[in-house]
Amino acid sequence: EAGVVQSPRYKIIEKKQPVAFWCNPISGHNTLYWYRQNLGQGPELLIRYENEEAVDDSQLPKDRFSAERLKGVDSTLKIQPAELGDSAVYLCASSLDLGTGGYEQYFGPGTRLTVT
Amino acid sequence: GDSVTQMEGPVTLSEEAFLTINCTYTATGYPSLFWYVQYPGEGLQLLLKATKADDKGSNKGFEATYRKETTSFHLEKGSVQVSDSAVYFCALNSGFQKLVFGTGTRLLVSP
Repeated sequence: EAGVVQSPRYKIIEKKQPVAFWCNPISGHNTLYWYRQNLGQGPELLIRYENEEAVDDSQLPKDRFSAERLKGVDSTLKIQPAELGDSAVYLCASSLDLGTGGYEQYFGPGTRLTVT
Repeated sequence: GDSVTQMEGPVTLSEEAFLTINCTYTATGYPSLFWYVQYPGEGLQLLLKATKADDKGSNKGFEATYRKETTSFHLEKGSVQVSDSAVYFCALNSGFQKLVFGTGTRLLVSP
């Protein structure tokens, strides 16, 4: 079974430019997450989707970040405009939430963003 | 709020040495606890988990026991290999479907 797929793997842009990341979760997984991992830190949740609905976006900087999950499958995370501090690895994860707790999140390889 | 504290790295060991990576947590309620591993250039992989007090998670020779009385979930392995070199993250989920991670501990194993 294919894992979580992300693209691109690496992206270098100049500040003030826009950038987008794409994620394809594991087939059948209803919950999708975007995390940001700064250098030397653990991942931090940006947004969580249950099917098509964003149910937790409290940590998403909404002035410049946006996300969508059309048809409850693939998702796109966008930054516009990018700032130097946005340099990080952006991780996508998915899970099958059965409401029983102890669920497992499966992570993609991440997109390493460098803003110059 | 919920938080996870891990020992700082790097942890440097020789092959076949015993490994302990400490992890303590602060959370409301009764969280599920996880260890994730991140190999160079790869995403995070779930290593093991425990969902209630006194549960022991185990995988690939690694073990961790959910200790409610000490709010700890220390990772152990009896004999490490060079291939275990990676960054290890302790994490919790306290029921809000959001993983809270520690800062990670880098393990370096030399032959």
